[in-house]
Amino acid sequence: QPVLTQTPSASASLGASVTLTCTLSSDYSNYKVDWYQQRPGKGPRFVMRVGAGGIVGSKGDGIPDRFSVSGSGLNRDLTIKNVQEEDESDYHCGADHGTGGDIVWVFGGGTKLTVL
Amino acid sequence: QVHLVQSGAEVKKPGASVKVSCKASGYTFTTYPIHWVRQAPGHRLEWMGWINAADGNRRSSQNLQGRLTITADTSATTAYMELSSLTSEDTAVYYCARKLQGSHPLDYWGQGTLVTVSS
Repeated sequence: QPVLTQTPSASASLGASVTLTCTLSSDYSNYKVDWYQQRPGKGPRFVMRVGAGGIVGSKGDGIPDRFSVSGSGLNRDLTIKNVQEEDESDYHCGADHGTGGDIVWVFGGGTKLTVL
Repeated sequence: QVHLVQSGAEVKKPGASVKVSCKASGYTFTTYPIHWVRQAPGHRLEWMGWINAADGNRRSSQNLQGRLTITADTSATTAYMELSSLTSEDTAVYYCARKLQGSHPLDYWGQGTLVTVSS
């Protein structure tokens, strides 16, 4: 199954842009990845799914247009433009592996985004 | 509006069992299997297993097989996760989440239930 790697922390000034990266282990370049936002003390919230060609399907409910994704090679990026205070969260990437009843999920280590 | 509401925090002694509930509302319960995910302090999210309430099919992660029981009560639109033989390594926040069958995201999550295992 794939291994997902994320940088543990990132920061961005209010109003700036920031890109968070989720890197798939080799041999899994065709995998899609889901991004989840987790505010302090809350459950994760689905942001959107990204494949090598970009967004797959629809954004999660209430996700602002400031959030976008892109994919290239083993990287699945989440970009936040015009960063706001409420974007300060942990961001997790996850991927499902397998088919039918044998599907399992793997997650990255998460990136803590600090808004300066 | 979709809601997954979990039961409250638990404190358990080593060797005991814990049962966490996840009450679903705002959608047809049997359309979306329920998955369980946990996060121990300082660790990444860890997928635990799932249940399809429509037909009772379920699966647990290999490292929890034998200790994890996932059930669902369709009349109560509630899923349950029971973990036995608890150790301190099971101290974590436990989440339920729903997902359509097939390759789809975990699109709605519960608020989490803190389970603390301590003597």
